[in-house]
Amino acid sequence: QKEVEQNSGPLSVPEGAIASLNCTYSDRGSQSFFWYRQYSGKSPELIMFIYSNGDKEDGRFTAQLNKASQYVSLLIRDSQPSDSATYLCAVNGANTGGFKTIFGAGTRLFVKA
Amino acid sequence: NAGVMQNPRHLVRRRGQEARLRCSPMKGHSHVYWYRQLPEEGLKFMVYLQKENIIDESGMPKERFSAEFPKEGPSILRIQQVVRGDSAAYFCASSPRTSEDTIYFGEGSWLTVV
Repeated sequence: QKEVEQNSGPLSVPEGAIASLNCTYSDRGSQSFFWYRQYSGKSPELIMFIYSNGDKEDGRFTAQLNKASQYVSLLIRDSQPSDSATYLCAVNGANTGGFKTIFGAGTRLFVKA
Repeated sequence: NAGVMQNPRHLVRRRGQEARLRCSPMKGHSHVYWYRQLPEEGLKFMVYLQKENIIDESGMPKERFSAEFPKEGPSILRIQQVVRGDSAAYFCASSPRTSEDTIYFGEGSWLTVV
Protein backbone atom coordinates (compact mmCIF):
# COMPACT_ATOMS: atom_id res chain seq x y z
CA GLN A 1 0.00 0.00 0.00
CA LYS A 2 1.32 3.42 -0.95
CA GLU A 3 1.76 5.86 1.90
CA VAL A 4 -0.21 8.59 0.16
CA GLU A 5 -2.61 7.70 -2.64
CA GLN A 6 -4.28 9.97 -5.15
CA ASN A 7 -6.26 9.34 -8.29
CA SER A 8 -3.85 10.28 -11.09
CA GLY A 9 -6.66 11.62 -13.26
CA PRO A 10 -6.82 13.53 -15.40
CA LEU A 11 -9.81 15.25 -13.85
CA SER A 12 -11.55 17.52 -16.32
CA VAL A 13 -14.08 20.13 -15.22
CA PRO A 14 -15.69 23.05 -17.04
CA GLU A 15 -14.82 26.60 -16.10
CA GLY A 16 -16.84 27.77 -13.12
CA ALA A 17 -17.48 24.27 -11.77
CA ILE A 18 -16.25 22.74 -8.51
CA ALA A 19 -13.20 20.49 -8.76
CA SER A 20 -12.92 17.83 -6.08
CA LEU A 21 -9.54 16.20 -5.42
CA ASN A 22 -9.13 13.30 -3.04
CA CYS A 23 -6.30 11.69 -1.13
CA THR A 24 -5.91 8.83 1.36
CA TYR A 25 -2.95 8.08 3.58
CA SER A 26 -1.79 5.01 5.44
CA ASP A 27 0.06 6.35 8.51
CA ARG A 28 -2.40 6.93 11.36
CA GLY A 29 0.29 8.90 13.18
CA SER A 30 0.26 11.62 10.53
CA GLN A 31 -0.03 15.08 12.00
CA SER A 32 -0.05 17.59 9.18
CA PHE A 33 -1.63 17.58 5.75
CA PHE A 34 -0.87 19.76 2.76
CA TRP A 35 -1.99 20.49 -0.76
CA TYR A 36 0.54 21.73 -3.30
CA ARG A 37 -0.01 22.83 -6.87
CA GLN A 38 2.60 22.12 -9.53
CA TYR A 39 2.57 23.54 -13.02
CA SER A 40 4.46 21.63 -15.69
CA GLY A 41 8.20 22.28 -15.43
CA LYS A 42 7.85 24.23 -12.20
CA SER A 43 8.32 23.54 -8.52
CA PRO A 44 5.44 22.70 -6.16
CA GLU A 45 3.81 25.65 -4.44
CA LEU A 46 1.81 25.40 -1.24
CA ILE A 47 -1.92 26.00 -1.52
CA MET A 48 -3.18 24.97 1.90
CA PHE A 49 -2.35 23.07 5.03
CA ILE A 50 -4.71 21.52 7.56
CA TYR A 51 -4.03 19.95 10.93
CA SER A 52 -7.47 19.33 12.49
CA ASN A 53 -10.50 17.34 11.45
CA GLY A 54 -13.08 19.31 9.53
CA ASP A 55 -12.98 21.96 6.85
CA LYS A 56 -10.60 24.83 6.27
CA GLU A 57 -11.42 27.50 3.72
CA ASP A 58 -9.11 29.95 1.97
CA GLY A 59 -10.64 31.89 -0.87
CA ARG A 60 -11.82 29.48 -3.56
CA PHE A 61 -10.09 26.54 -1.87
CA THR A 62 -11.45 24.30 0.89
CA ALA A 63 -9.43 21.52 2.46
CA GLN A 64 -11.26 18.75 4.31
CA LEU A 65 -9.67 16.31 6.73
CA ASN A 66 -11.09 13.14 8.25
CA LYS A 67 -8.45 11.42 10.37
CA ALA A 68 -10.71 8.49 11.27
CA SER A 69 -11.07 7.65 7.58
CA GLN A 70 -7.49 8.76 6.79
CA TYR A 71 -8.85 10.96 4.06
CA VAL A 72 -7.99 14.46 2.84
CA SER A 73 -9.67 16.38 0.07
CA LEU A 74 -9.38 19.69 -1.73
CA LEU A 75 -12.32 21.51 -3.28
CA ILE A 76 -11.74 24.28 -5.80
CA ARG A 77 -14.80 26.45 -6.36
CA ASP A 78 -15.37 28.52 -9.50
CA SER A 79 -12.56 26.66 -11.27
CA GLN A 80 -10.53 28.72 -13.72
CA PRO A 81 -8.36 27.61 -16.65
CA SER A 82 -5.38 28.89 -14.66
CA ASP A 83 -6.14 26.20 -12.06
CA SER A 84 -5.11 23.56 -14.60
CA ALA A 85 -2.12 21.88 -12.96
CA THR A 86 -1.10 18.80 -11.00
CA TYR A 87 -2.26 18.86 -7.38
CA LEU A 88 -0.10 17.05 -4.87
CA CYS A 89 -1.37 15.79 -1.56
CA ALA A 90 1.32 15.63 1.13
CA VAL A 91 1.32 14.15 4.60
CA ASN A 92 3.78 14.71 7.42
CA GLY A 93 3.97 12.03 10.05
CA ALA A 94 6.22 10.55 12.63
CA ASN A 95 8.94 8.29 11.46
CA THR A 96 12.05 6.95 13.06
CA GLY A 97 14.46 9.83 13.41
CA GLY A 98 11.86 12.54 12.95
CA PHE A 99 9.09 13.77 10.74
CA LYS A 100 9.15 13.93 6.98
CA THR A 101 6.66 15.00 4.35
CA ILE A 102 5.54 12.33 1.91
CA PHE A 103 3.80 13.18 -1.36
CA GLY A 104 1.21 11.43 -3.40
CA ALA A 105 1.75 11.00 -7.13
CA GLY A 106 -0.58 13.90 -7.87
CA THR A 107 -3.86 14.43 -9.70
CA ARG A 108 -3.87 16.27 -13.01
CA LEU A 109 -6.66 18.81 -13.26
CA PHE A 110 -7.84 20.33 -16.53
CA VAL A 111 -10.28 23.23 -16.42
CA LYS A 112 -11.94 23.73 -19.80
CA ALA A 113 -12.77 27.29 -20.84
CA ASN B 1 15.22 36.95 -2.44
CA ALA B 2 14.44 35.12 0.78
CA GLY B 3 13.28 31.92 -0.89
CA VAL B 4 14.95 28.53 -1.16
CA MET B 5 17.80 28.90 -3.62
CA GLN B 6 18.96 26.05 -5.78
CA ASN B 7 21.75 25.91 -8.31
CA PRO B 8 22.43 25.05 -10.94
CA ARG B 9 18.96 25.21 -12.44
CA HIS B 10 19.97 22.98 -15.32
CA LEU B 11 22.90 20.59 -15.43
CA VAL B 12 24.04 18.28 -18.20
CA ARG B 13 26.44 15.49 -17.38
CA ARG B 14 27.88 12.62 -19.37
CA ARG B 15 27.49 9.11 -18.03
CA GLY B 16 30.11 8.42 -15.37
CA GLN B 17 30.60 12.06 -14.36
CA GLU B 18 29.68 13.58 -11.02
CA ALA B 19 26.78 15.93 -10.39
CA ARG B 20 26.66 18.37 -7.48
CA LEU B 21 23.45 20.17 -6.66
CA ARG B 22 23.38 22.97 -4.13
CA CYS B 23 20.60 24.30 -1.94
CA SER B 24 20.46 27.28 0.39
CA PRO B 25 17.38 27.16 2.64
CA MET B 26 15.14 30.10 3.36
CA LYS B 27 16.50 32.50 5.95
CA GLY B 28 15.75 31.19 9.41
CA HIS B 29 15.13 27.63 8.21
CA SER B 30 17.29 24.90 9.67
CA HIS B 31 15.72 21.81 8.08
CA VAL B 32 16.48 20.79 4.50
CA TYR B 33 14.87 18.09 2.40
CA TRP B 34 15.76 16.72 -1.01
CA TYR B 35 13.19 15.21 -3.35
CA ARG B 36 13.53 13.68 -6.79
CA GLN B 37 10.90 13.82 -9.50
CA LEU B 38 11.25 11.60 -12.53
CA PRO B 39 9.43 12.66 -15.70
CA GLU B 40 5.66 12.27 -15.32
CA GLU B 41 6.05 10.91 -11.79
CA GLY B 42 5.49 12.17 -8.27
CA LEU B 43 7.92 13.62 -5.77
CA LYS B 44 10.02 10.99 -4.04
CA PHE B 45 11.59 11.78 -0.68
CA MET B 46 15.34 11.27 -0.64
CA VAL B 47 16.88 12.74 2.48
CA TYR B 48 16.20 15.05 5.42
CA LEU B 49 19.03 17.00 7.00
CA GLN B 50 19.69 19.50 9.72
CA LYS B 51 22.96 21.37 10.11
CA GLU B 52 25.77 18.80 10.22
CA ASN B 53 23.30 15.93 10.67
CA ILE B 54 21.51 13.51 8.40
CA ILE B 55 18.18 12.84 10.10
CA ASP B 56 16.56 10.48 7.59
CA GLU B 57 18.14 9.14 4.41
CA SER B 58 15.68 6.30 3.85
CA GLY B 59 14.91 7.50 0.33
CA MET B 60 18.49 7.75 -0.88
CA PRO B 61 19.79 5.08 -3.25
CA LYS B 62 22.38 2.97 -1.47
CA GLU B 63 25.14 3.73 -3.89
CA ARG B 64 26.47 6.82 -5.66
CA PHE B 65 24.24 9.30 -3.83
CA SER B 66 25.23 11.36 -0.81
CA ALA B 67 24.05 14.52 0.89
CA GLU B 68 25.43 16.95 3.40
CA PHE B 69 24.44 20.15 5.13
CA PRO B 70 27.55 21.65 6.65
CA LYS B 71 27.68 24.16 9.46
CA GLU B 72 28.52 26.86 6.95
CA GLY B 73 27.30 26.96 3.38
CA PRO B 74 24.58 25.28 1.36
CA SER B 75 23.32 21.73 1.45
CA ILE B 76 24.81 19.62 -1.31
CA LEU B 77 23.37 16.58 -3.05
CA ARG B 78 26.13 14.66 -4.77
CA ILE B 79 25.62 12.00 -7.40
CA GLN B 80 28.71 10.08 -8.45
CA GLN B 81 29.11 8.18 -11.72
CA VAL B 82 25.79 9.36 -13.06
CA VAL B 83 23.67 7.10 -15.26
CA ARG B 84 20.83 7.97 -17.62
CA GLY B 85 18.29 6.91 -15.02
CA ASP B 86 19.47 9.75 -12.77
CA SER B 87 17.98 12.27 -15.20
CA ALA B 88 15.29 14.00 -13.19
CA ALA B 89 14.29 17.18 -11.43
CA TYR B 90 15.80 17.46 -7.97
CA PHE B 91 13.92 19.71 -5.59
CA CYS B 92 15.20 21.05 -2.32
CA ALA B 93 12.81 22.23 0.36
CA SER B 94 13.27 23.79 3.75
CA SER B 95 11.23 24.31 6.89
CA PRO B 96 11.64 26.52 9.96
CA ARG B 97 12.05 25.29 13.47
CA THR B 98 10.59 21.82 13.41
CA SER B 99 10.14 19.18 10.77
CA GLU B 100 6.38 19.34 11.33
CA ASP B 101 6.28 22.77 9.77
CA THR B 102 5.26 23.41 6.21
CA ILE B 103 8.06 22.86 3.72
CA TYR B 104 8.81 25.35 0.96
CA PHE B 105 10.42 24.38 -2.29
CA GLY B 106 13.17 25.86 -4.37
CA GLU B 107 12.89 26.17 -8.14
CA GLY B 108 14.55 22.81 -8.68
CA SER B 109 17.63 21.54 -10.47
CA TRP B 110 17.07 19.65 -13.71
CA LEU B 111 19.74 17.04 -14.31
CA THR B 112 20.14 15.53 -17.77
CA VAL B 113 22.56 12.65 -18.25
CA VAL B 114 23.68 12.11 -21.83
